[in-house]
Amino acid sequence: SQQGEEDPQALSIQEGENATMNCSYKTSINNLQWYRQNSGRGLVHLILIRSNEREKHSGRLRVTLDTSKKSSSLLITASRAADTASYFCATDRSNYKLTFGKGTLLTVNP
Amino acid sequence: DVKVTQSSRYLVKRTGEKVFLECVQDMDHENMFWYRQDPGLGLRLIYFSYDVKMKEKGDIPEGYSVSREKKERFSLILESASTNQTSMYLCASSFSGGGSLGTDTQYFGPGTRLTVL
Repeated sequence: SQQGEEDPQALSIQEGENATMNCSYKTSINNLQWYRQNSGRGLVHLILIRSNEREKHSGRLRVTLDTSKKSSSLLITASRAADTASYFCATDRSNYKLTFGKGTLLTVNP
Repeated sequence: DVKVTQSSRYLVKRTGEKVFLECVQDMDHENMFWYRQDPGLGLRLIYFSYDVKMKEKGDIPEGYSVSREKKERFSLILESASTNQTSMYLCASSFSGGGSLGTDTQYFGPGTRLTVL
């Protein structure tokens, strides 16, 4: 079952601009994670935010979590061409499993 | 760094063949996962293993089986490959410690793109 749903499905920006992606989910969670996938490769973990946290930073990444709205956002500041990838949110399920959304395809144009 | 390797990056098989996809992790993780990824459908969990010889069906187990004889190795088996099993297959592993406080991070292999003709 797909719990996390990213929005938009695709995003195209110029280098140096900020990119914002959103994720909505349906049931209560313990944590929410964001992953990146370069074309044709495996996923790489970016950041995890726990249900009792509202905001978290890691380098150029900023993640927010609003449990009342069941939503999260990922902000990439000062984007680079190398940030071109698909971005997925993932929510925890029982027994260490995760449910992934369908992803946002980000294209950063040089 | 955690390393998860998969036996092949690309694989082409014929309908009806038995296919083995191998995954190895080097971080002593208890949990291992097999997903398939298809355009428009995202990642879907096929099978999950939480210990040696222990397995649990995921969301789409039909047509697949798994084997975990050693902690570091998790194999996905297509008993009789069909064209609708053409997909990208991703293996992942994670650590069991920490319970619900955020140690569910999964580490992925590079993926195997399987084509069944």
